[in-house]
Amino acid sequence: DTEVTQTPKHLVMGMTNKKSLKCEQHMGHRAMYWYKQKAKKPPELMFVYSYEKLSINESVPSRFSPECPNSSLLNLHLHALQPEDSALYLCASSPQREEQFFGPGTRLTVL
Amino acid sequence: SQQGEEDPQALSIQEGENATMNCSYKTSINNLQWYRQNSGRGLVHLILIRSNEREKHSGRLRVTLDTSKKSSSLLITASRAADTASYFCAPYGGATNKLIFGTGTLLAVQP
Repeated sequence: DTEVTQTPKHLVMGMTNKKSLKCEQHMGHRAMYWYKQKAKKPPELMFVYSYEKLSINESVPSRFSPECPNSSLLNLHLHALQPEDSALYLCASSPQREEQFFGPGTRLTVL
Repeated sequence: SQQGEEDPQALSIQEGENATMNCSYKTSINNLQWYRQNSGRGLVHLILIRSNEREKHSGRLRVTLDTSKKSSSLLITASRAADTASYFCAPYGGATNKLIFGTGTLLAVQP
């Protein structure tokens, strides 16, 4: 299995909602990433997990809360988001310092 | 910063022509990677070139790296309509070992 899967594909939520984005890979990669991408911009790194531990947090607001329950799963918990948080959220995994494998993304709209 | 700057921002060519995209960066790197993104989808890794390599080929792709000039180029030969996408360079290494995507080149291949 050489895929990174992400659910849901699309998510619409209100500013008071709590939701979660999920990411899964079965390639045995020990590094996993969350990126945020606005239209016509490059992906921006949010979080990096290495061996299931948070190793990088790019000063992301606390309304985004990552979680890595095991080596195959990565979640991003969302709470009290703002309309400007609407974006494509991409998950990726890699065997450490090599190429990253990306999921198809979750298109998030915050109303 | 480690982020790459790409040139041109947009490129329109006819099918069968070659497309060249350039990337410049500012810090030392371990490797430099190129990715493709079709509209609104996840990124696909194309090629990785290490800091001690000068040129690398993969199918119709040719990547060069000049660490003295801190620049790289991606050449796509005999382009096809299916090559229409955004292309990002991603210098990897430096102090943080994070993958930071460049500004991207939007390539349109006209049939």
